[in-house]
Amino acid sequence: EPEVTQTPSHQVTQMGQEVILRCVPISNHLYFYWYRQILGQKVEFLVSFYNNEISEKSEIFDDQFSVERPDGSNFTLKIRSTKLEDSAMYFCASRAGTGASNEQIFGPGTRLTVL
Amino acid sequence: KNEVEQSPQNLTAQEGEFITINCSYSVGISALHWLQQHPGGGIVSLFMLSSGKKKHGRLIATINIQEKHSSLHITASHPRDSAVYICAVPTNTGNQFYFGTGTSLTVIP
Repeated sequence: EPEVTQTPSHQVTQMGQEVILRCVPISNHLYFYWYRQILGQKVEFLVSFYNNEISEKSEIFDDQFSVERPDGSNFTLKIRSTKLEDSAMYFCASRAGTGASNEQIFGPGTRLTVL
Repeated sequence: KNEVEQSPQNLTAQEGEFITINCSYSVGISALHWLQQHPGGGIVSLFMLSSGKKKHGRLIATINIQEKHSSLHITASHPRDSAVYICAVPTNTGNQFYFGTGTSLTVIP
């Protein structure tokens, strides 16, 4: 069964530091997503990515965030200068298409802790 | 304003009970996604449906697009079904999803 992988599983960083969260989507998927879930809260959409560009982004996804697909397999989320409120679980997901039969497959998540 | 509302927020059931979780949404969509989040945090896709009903094992999902409402049913519930169940709704482009707050289900042996 193909799966989405994410590394690291847990990242601890100091406030103001840059972090890069990595995801390897399923190989024949074309649509990629990042979500975050603050502890005890609901999952929130951050950004979607297709054809090497951002399709949509939420209000959360400000100038501190960026995404990249550097090598055709990895899909990264960069936070330039982390804040305490960036502490959350970050999930990557991918889909083959946007049709009703195309489910999102989620990665296991990266728990980011900003101190 | 919540684009997606789920009920109940918390649910405790005895093993074997029939369980229903509801999801109502206000955004226009083409399909709806039911997800299961395990206590460890991992998210698993259960169903994506755009009409009628889908069944997978003991899980059944129904959707009424006109009423903007979906239900997830679990028959013969088991303690291993204990998890948070989340409905998620894509925008018409399919490029963004709105998530419900989840229903936390505990099934007691």
